Amino acid sequence: NAGVTQTPKFRILKIGQSMTLQCTQDMNHNYMYWYRQDPGMGLKLIYYSVGAGITDKGEVPNGYNVSRSTTEDFPLRLELAAPSQTSVYFCASSPTSGRSNEQFFGPGTRLTVL
Amino acid sequence: AQSVTQLGSHVSVSEGALVLLRCNYSSSVPPYLFWYVQYPNQGLQLLLKYTTGATLVKGINGFEAEFKKSETSFHLTKPSAHMSDAAEYFCAVIGGGNQFYFGTGTSLTVIP
Repeated sequence: NAGVTQTPKFRILKIGQSMTLQCTQDMNHNYMYWYRQDPGMGLKLIYYSVGAGITDKGEVPNGYNVSRSTTEDFPLRLELAAPSQTSVYFCASSPTSGRSNEQFFGPGTRLTVL
Repeated sequence: AQSVTQLGSHVSVSEGALVLLRCNYSSSVPPYLFWYVQYPNQGLQLLLKYTTGATLVKGINGFEAEFKKSETSFHLTKPSAHMSDAAEYFCAVIGGGNQFYFGTGTSLTVIP
């Protein structure tokens, strides 16, 4: 199993450009998450999904969109990139049942908006 | 509401010394608590978790943590630090809907 994979690893965007961060998991997990990590701030939840076709906002959703058409994929879309979106983005997944389940993280995408 | 506070954003210890990373939580429901480690330029990896039962939890790489309800704490310890322990450590509490709430992290430096 590859676990959670993310592409690209690095990206530089100009202000106003758009892009999609890809996330795929091969563990058949229903729950998937997108976080951003800023220095000294820990991880903040952007969006999450409890299954295909179901998504919901997290703590910092503004400027982002998500979709979940399959169990495996959970792409994150930035429509009009802004410098405030410079961050490291992590995708994670967890099994369906129980609050005790850990989240499995991808390696991250480092995004710079100039 | 759930939240986590990690005291000390940077901790330095000598190789072979005790590692103590502090985490206090706030939770309106019985908490499920986690410690994750992040090595440079990598994702987060689970160290250990507390759900129910034994309050002393053992994890990977010789780390352990003790859940103390009276102190609302879940501090992470390791008896003897190794150079390979240098990393960022995150405490997290799980709330409703399987949402994690992460602390701001503690960067551990191990001095040879």
